[in-house]
Amino acid sequence: KQEVTQIPAALSVPEGENLVLNCSFTDSAIYNLQWFRQDPGKGLTSLLLIQSSQREQTSGRLNASLDKSSGRSTLYIAASQPGDSATYLCAVITGGGNKLTFGTGTQLKVEL
Amino acid sequence: NAGVMQNPRHLVRRRGQEARLRCSPMKGHSHVYWYRQLPEEGLKFMVYLQKENIIDESGMPKERFSAEFPKEGPSILRIQQVVRGDSAAYFCASSPDRAKNIQYFGAGTRLSVL
Repeated sequence: KQEVTQIPAALSVPEGENLVLNCSFTDSAIYNLQWFRQDPGKGLTSLLLIQSSQREQTSGRLNASLDKSSGRSTLYIAASQPGDSATYLCAVITGGGNKLTFGTGTQLKVEL
Repeated sequence: NAGVMQNPRHLVRRRGQEARLRCSPMKGHSHVYWYRQLPEEGLKFMVYLQKENIIDESGMPKERFSAEFPKEGPSILRIQQVVRGDSAAYFCASSPDRAKNIQYFGAGTRLSVL
């Protein structure tokens, strides 16, 4: 059974800092891995999707890496801004299935 | 191309009533997924449907919950005789045939059971 863990559960940083969010999964046979953002009381916004054959994806200040063999992914946020404050979720689709298995998220607060 | 549409956005029910949550997938998408986010918990898969068929319902509670995706119209998640523990955010996602493993999410329906 696939299990996804995110560390840390919560993070508070000053504006401008670069930061790394971590995600680990127990079954390396994944189709893809996605990073989402969720604002309080809102839906999910897809940030980056990494196919199993890829090592990383970049979008603006965000960079996500994937190491399938070790079951890890990181989301790097450069020059953080207060508007980045949200919960960040990591999710994988495991081989043979279509359902996403989510981590419990990292709650990020970027302070002025 | 409109995104995944869920309605209502907020739903209040009293214990014992029925809740019907609707999801219209993106145009051209024939795969629909329902997820539930309980308070202080992560999102959990409930059911995966492809037009008129339930493909995977391994995450659905055994009783009171059902889902359908008819040939015409939205997908419906139905909860009978709701209890307070059903209070949660319910999210729907859809994907196209050509990229079944890429899911696009709706804004969710927040169900509150009084």
